[in-house]
Amino acid sequence: KQEVTQIPAALSVPEGENLVLNCSFTDSAIYNLQWFRQDPGKGLTSLLLIQSSQREQTSGRLNASLDKSSGRSTLYIAASQPGDSATYLCAVRRSDYKLSFGAGTTVTVRA
Amino acid sequence: NAGVTQTPKFRILKIGQSMTLQCAQDMNHNYMYWYRQDPGMGLKLIYYSVGAGITDKGEVPNGYNVSRSTTEDFPLRLELAAPSQTSVYFCASKTGIGLGAKNIQYFGAGTRLSVL
Repeated sequence: KQEVTQIPAALSVPEGENLVLNCSFTDSAIYNLQWFRQDPGKGLTSLLLIQSSQREQTSGRLNASLDKSSGRSTLYIAASQPGDSATYLCAVRRSDYKLSFGAGTTVTVRA
Repeated sequence: NAGVTQTPKFRILKIGQSMTLQCAQDMNHNYMYWYRQDPGMGLKLIYYSVGAGITDKGEVPNGYNVSRSTTEDFPLRLELAAPSQTSVYFCASKTGIGLGAKNIQYFGAGTRLSVL
């Protein structure tokens, strides 16, 4: 059974600091890994999707890395802004095509 | 620009009542999903559908039913509501199986359900 863990559960940083969010998974037989953003009371928005054959993906200030063999992914957000405050979830696509989600890391960027 | 639309946004039910959570997407996606999100937990898959007329159970299907008569709609039914079904429910869709963008799931804004 695939288990996805995100540590820490919450993070507070001053504006301008770089953010590092961690995601670990127990079964390395994954098809891809996605990072989502969730704002309070809203649905999830996909940020980055990394195929299992890729090592990283970048979009603007966001960079996500994937180390499948060690079961880890890291989301980097450069030069954080108050608008980056949200909950960030990672999800891995399993061999049965379903997603397993972590519980998320809630980020607060202080102005 | 609607995407995935869920109704209602909020609902309070009494134990034993029934209700249907509505989900509609206008992106002509084949795959649709229902998840529940409990506080401090990741999303859990309730049911999913790979196309009209085809549905299958996810990880936590007990107490729920679904149907998929059209590509656009994927309603979730609670027959006898229980306090354990208090949660936030999300519907999602994606275009299909494949690489890259085909794998991105698009989510609705959610339905907050309380069963008292």
